[in-house]
Amino acid sequence: ETGVTQTPRHLVMGMTNKKSLKCEQHLGHNAMYWYKQSAKKPLELMFVYSLEERVENNSVPSRFSPECPNSSHLFLHLHTLQPEDSALYLCASSPGSGTTDTQYFGPGTRLTVL
Amino acid sequence: AQSVTQLDSQVPVFEEAPVELRCNYSSSVSVYLFWYVQYPNQGLQLLLKYLSGSTLVESINGFEAEFNKSQTSFHLRKPSVHISDTAEYFCAVSDGFQKLVFGTGTRLLVSP
Repeated sequence: ETGVTQTPRHLVMGMTNKKSLKCEQHLGHNAMYWYKQSAKKPLELMFVYSLEERVENNSVPSRFSPECPNSSHLFLHLHTLQPEDSALYLCASSPGSGTTDTQYFGPGTRLTVL
Repeated sequence: AQSVTQLDSQVPVFEEAPVELRCNYSSSVSVYLFWYVQYPNQGLQLLLKYLSGSTLVESINGFEAEFNKSQTSFHLRKPSVHISDTAEYFCAVSDGFQKLVFGTGTRLLVSP
């Protein structure tokens, strides 16, 4: 499989559940990202990892917990979410973490919090 | 802080007509500009980018954008659209140091 893949594609969870989103990139890139995409709002950068080290955390609530075990895999662990966390969560990767590097996006996970 | 404004949330157009999607940015330093496209049920894909050099950049599928520093704009144009161009288009800006900042997106709706 090529490019950036995300699983699951759809997720419905209650506010007390714990779930994880998975992202895998097959491009040999060194940087990976989590974004939140909500209707009528700009993409919100959540986390950036470069060579498996977290380099950016944009004031994201602690109920979102990222994990990057190696340069090909990125997880977003979710617990005690709120209904306003419902959104499309996009993973991306790029060759480096510079802002001129082209980012390659996965198809996203559509999350609904009941 | 940088910001990106995409004034049109939705642009309806007939097939084979020309289209322009507007993007304005605010930055007082050198900028790098991007257009990404998101087809239904897919992630974003880079359409084209301006880093330096010629102010007119082109994509492989007929889109072009022109960097206009005096007007702080990077509008996206295509002389003749196809049904398959129906998608959401995002403009983004970076100064090379801070994170990439995206606009709210413009939905292009091409009808027969």
